[in-house]
Amino acid sequence: DAKTTQPNSMESNEEEPVHLPCNHSTISGTDYIHWYRQLPSQGPEYVIHGLTSNVNNRMASLAIAEDRKSSTLILHRATLRDAAVYYCIRGSQGNLIFGKGTKLSVKP
Amino acid sequence: SAVISQKPSRDICQRGTSLTIQCQVDSQVTMMFWYRQQPGQSLTLIATANQGSEATYESGFVIDKFPISRPNLTFSTLTVSNMSPEDSSIYLCSVEGVSSGRYNEQFFGPGTRLTVL
Repeated sequence: DAKTTQPNSMESNEEEPVHLPCNHSTISGTDYIHWYRQLPSQGPEYVIHGLTSNVNNRMASLAIAEDRKSSTLILHRATLRDAAVYYCIRGSQGNLIFGKGTKLSVKP
Repeated sequence: SAVISQKPSRDICQRGTSLTIQCQVDSQVTMMFWYRQQPGQSLTLIATANQGSEATYESGFVIDKFPISRPNLTFSTLTVSNMSPEDSSIYLCSVEGVSSGRYNEQFFGPGTRLTVL
């Protein structure tokens, strides 16, 4: 059981921001929120993670709700190369349990 | 970071046979994981393999069907035994990276695409 809920698919236009939501209402106090993405025909790759505070890195930003029951992955300017399945995962490190993820399509 | 290679990259096998998939990492890692990704589906964790101990299997996966070896800190194998068409999937290995911080991201191999006829 992945224990996270994400929309099955989303669409974005190139160079526009994308907000990918995730619900993890049963998250425990020690669970991380991890985001990975899987480009076509590749293994998943790490995007970002957080615990309580919002996080930024070179790929994306992660906004975590104050009650930690939801989070949003933000891609500031989508490119065609960002088209992928994005997985929101909650839990400890290792033993990542993947849900169905959100398939992001980016239109030129 | 960790760079992972898998062999073979793909294979087509006959039912009833077995295939051993190799996973090689370019650095020493403690924890290695094996996942299965069935067509059009998400990833499912098969087992966790730590060097020097028996692999730990997730519910629905057994050692007789998916024996795993972990002879050292850079290598592991997964065997898919007595294959049936339902075993047709992409098999991926992953490792937990090693860093000086508290959080270690996971790195994934490119996968082995298995088709069973």
